[in-house]
Amino acid sequence: DAKTTQPPSMDCAEGRAANLPCNHSTISGNEYVYWYRQIHSQGPQYIIHGLKNNETNEMASLIITEDRKSSTLILPHATLRDTAVYYCIVRLLSYNQGGKLIFGQGTELSVKP
Amino acid sequence: DAMVIQNPRYQVTQFGKPVTLSCSQTLNHNVMYWYQQKSSQAPKLLFHYYDKDFNNEADTPDNFQSRRPNTSFCFLDIRSPGLGDAAMYLCATSRDNQETQYFGPGTRLLVL
Repeated sequence: DAKTTQPPSMDCAEGRAANLPCNHSTISGNEYVYWYRQIHSQGPQYIIHGLKNNETNEMASLIITEDRKSSTLILPHATLRDTAVYYCIVRLLSYNQGGKLIFGQGTELSVKP
Repeated sequence: DAMVIQNPRYQVTQFGKPVTLSCSQTLNHNVMYWYQQKSSQAPKLLFHYYDKDFNNEADTPDNFQSRRPNTSFCFLDIRSPGLGDAAMYLCATSRDNQETQYFGPGTRLLVL
């Protein structure tokens, strides 16, 4: 089972920051937080991941709380093309597990003009 | 650009008629994965290959099999598709088990 909880849907105004929360209260010390998004009828797209430090790349920022029990994905200036389902995934990185991704239900983000 | 390619994007098959979906990658990644995504659901891992080593998920039906003839290609074979197998099938690759997975565009399978 997925180890994350996300709100099922969110709205955001175009040009504003979109802040997508994720709870992962049972996360273990060696588990990473990954974010993917899936635009309708396309394959999931990798966004960002982190272990305990905040991370930023050209797509987004990831803020992880100090206790690691929750995180927030930030899209700084949302556009209509950011409308998608966003998946927060806690991933155990071990050889035996194959690094499998266990997707939860995700958050459906709608960016509105 | 290096990428994960899935063909065809849409596949129609008949109930009980074997069907093969294909995935290729130009990333030279060691690991290839197959996920199934049914309508309005999240993707679910079916199996993966690490090089030539096949790893099946415990709850993947026997009806689903896979082949990886070389590093670049991986196939998903559905021996006797049922109506419940209609779904989007996603291929993903990663350089190693611990590395980020990159997904292809998916093949949507329709079973008539």
